[in-house]
Amino acid sequence: DARVTQTPRDKVTEMGQEVTMRCQPILGHNTVFWYRQTMMQGLELLAYFRNRAPLDDSGMPKDRFSAEMPDATLATLKIQPSEPRDSAVYFCASAGPSLRQFFGPGTRLTVL
Amino acid sequence: KQEVTQIPAALSVPEGENLVLNCSFTDSAIYNLQWFRQDPGKGLTSLLLIQSSQREQTSGRLNASLDKSSGRSTLYIAASQPGDSATYLCAVRDSGNTPLVFGKGTRLSVIA
Repeated sequence: DARVTQTPRDKVTEMGQEVTMRCQPILGHNTVFWYRQTMMQGLELLAYFRNRAPLDDSGMPKDRFSAEMPDATLATLKIQPSEPRDSAVYFCASAGPSLRQFFGPGTRLTVL
Repeated sequence: KQEVTQIPAALSVPEGENLVLNCSFTDSAIYNLQWFRQDPGKGLTSLLLIQSSQREQTSGRLNASLDKSSGRSTLYIAASQPGDSATYLCAVRDSGNTPLVFGKGTRLSVIA
């Protein structure tokens, strides 16, 4: 049963620390998305890639966030330095040619 | 700019009822529409995908319809069960190169 995997599932860190979240998209999916979900803002798109190239990262705070796809099986989202307002659940999603989108279980980030 | 609205924000029904969740979107020239389910503390689960050329899709007790001309989609749930309790999100994709635009969801409670 193919699914998107994310690590870690939970992360608690202190303000100012670097946070790296990882995502393994479904094998064969060439489009990868990063979202952030909070109670206040709902689901926000941060960035997305097609064939490992960034298509849009306008949703990310550029000064502290960065997203990359080192290879087709790994996407990373980094926050440096982290701030309490970054506390949220971060979701990765992937899609294949049909563009049906599948989400990972999320990383719950708490920045103290 | 595409906007997706889901009304009502919350709905409570007794077990066994058939129910309809509504989704409307402002720009009718869409590529596809996807319905998701999210359980508390979990990721989004893809339920149904309707391509722009299709009028409806069915999966088990779920049926989603699409009327592009009126900018509407409905998710019909037959014979509701307590296990159907979750937040249901509708999302629209405008083209093959744009991301999904999400509604804020309808929180469904099915009371035994």
